[in-house]
Amino acid sequence: AQTVTQSQPEMSVQEAETVTLSCTYDTSESNYYLFWYKQPPSRQMILVIRQEAYKQQNATENRFSVNFQKAAKSFSLKISDSQLGDTAMYFCAFMNYNTDKLIFGTGTRLQVFP
Amino acid sequence: NAGVTQTPKFQVLKTGQSMTLQCAQDMNHEYMSWYRQDPGMGLRLIHYSVGAGITDQGEVPNGYNVSRSTTEDFPLRLLSAAPSQTSVYFCASSPGAGFMNTEAFFGQGTRLTVV
Repeated sequence: AQTVTQSQPEMSVQEAETVTLSCTYDTSESNYYLFWYKQPPSRQMILVIRQEAYKQQNATENRFSVNFQKAAKSFSLKISDSQLGDTAMYFCAFMNYNTDKLIFGTGTRLQVFP
Repeated sequence: NAGVTQTPKFQVLKTGQSMTLQCAQDMNHEYMSWYRQDPGMGLRLIHYSVGAGITDQGEVPNGYNVSRSTTEDFPLRLLSAAPSQTSVYFCASSPGAGFMNTEAFFGQGTRLTVV
């Protein structure tokens, strides 16, 4: 069975600074996706970034980038130039390529301070 | 496109009552699922479906039933509500196995309180 671990329950960062959220996972599968979802106070689940396991290149989306280390089963999210609107709960998630079943970590609550 | 529509947004139930959470998607997605979100525990999978007529249990299925009579709809039924089912519930859909650039789309969530 797959598991996803987020070891940082809470993080804080000052506006305009950079912060990295950690995620590790365990799987015996070779084809899968990894995601970071953002959940602001509105409760809506918003996709931040996606990484396909077969791609060696790290995914980037504007100020968001990942450090994907497949052998180490690590998938961290880096947020550059943090903004107040980045304040949210962030979930790391694993999706098996053959089933679409999503497994979530327990989340990291990020607070961005002015 | 409405995406994933989940109703109601809030609900208060008395212990022992039953109710159905509705979920509908208009993206022709094969895969649909229900999660519950509890503090410190992330989102845990309750039930899922890989297509019309096919459902299966997730990590925490006890006390919940689902059915998938159409591709669009995937209701979640609480048979006899218990305080332990107080939670935030999310419905999600995704295209199905093997799609490139896939992602899961979520409803807006239902905050359920059982008293």
